[in-house]
Amino acid sequence: EPEVTQTPSHQVTQMGQEVILRCVPISNHLYFYWYRQILGQKVEFLVSFYNNEISEKSEIFDDQFSVERPDGSNFTLKIRSTKLEDSAMYFCASVEGGYYEQYFGPGTRLTVT
Amino acid sequence: GNSVTQMEGPVTLSEEAFLTINCTYTATGYPSLFWYVQYPGEGLQLLLKATKADDKGSNKGFEATYRKETTSFHLEKGSVQVSDSAVYFCALSDRNTGNQFYFGTGTSLTVIP
Repeated sequence: EPEVTQTPSHQVTQMGQEVILRCVPISNHLYFYWYRQILGQKVEFLVSFYNNEISEKSEIFDDQFSVERPDGSNFTLKIRSTKLEDSAMYFCASVEGGYYEQYFGPGTRLTVT
Repeated sequence: GNSVTQMEGPVTLSEEAFLTINCTYTATGYPSLFWYVQYPGEGLQLLLKATKADDKGSNKGFEATYRKETTSFHLEKGSVQVSDSAVYFCALSDRNTGNQFYFGTGTSLTVIP
């Protein structure tokens, strides 16, 4: 069964450093999402991406964040200058069409020290 | 706005006990409702869904009915197994808000033999 994959599974970085989290969505899916889950808290929406542009973003997704689909398979989330409060599990998701269930990747645990 | 409220955990049950995890929602439109499960060290997996009022989603012995009158989507299972130990997330998506998912805080379930 096709699945969403994410790399790395765990990333440790120092405050102020840039990180890029990578996702490979399911190949025929058209809509892509990033969510984050701070330990013990809700899974929160960050951004949605369709047709090579951001379609929606939350207030969490400020200028420090950016997303890109650099080729036909990868979907990346970049955090330019990480803060301690960016420590969280980051989930990528993809959807075949606009209103079907989202398929989630296993997540990347980001630890900012 | 849209939101999901889940019962607080953790929940600990003996094998073969009956499980209920309460979930209520607030939505501006006509949402679809989902239960996702997260096993230790893994990503979010869709467990079941319901797309309109009075629909019942079911999978692996779990059931949930979309109740518009009580704005609820409670998860139930008649006889839990040790392998059901996981974190369960209730979620909604709403066409009016671009299909982003709104998650509850998650309920951790531990089933003991």
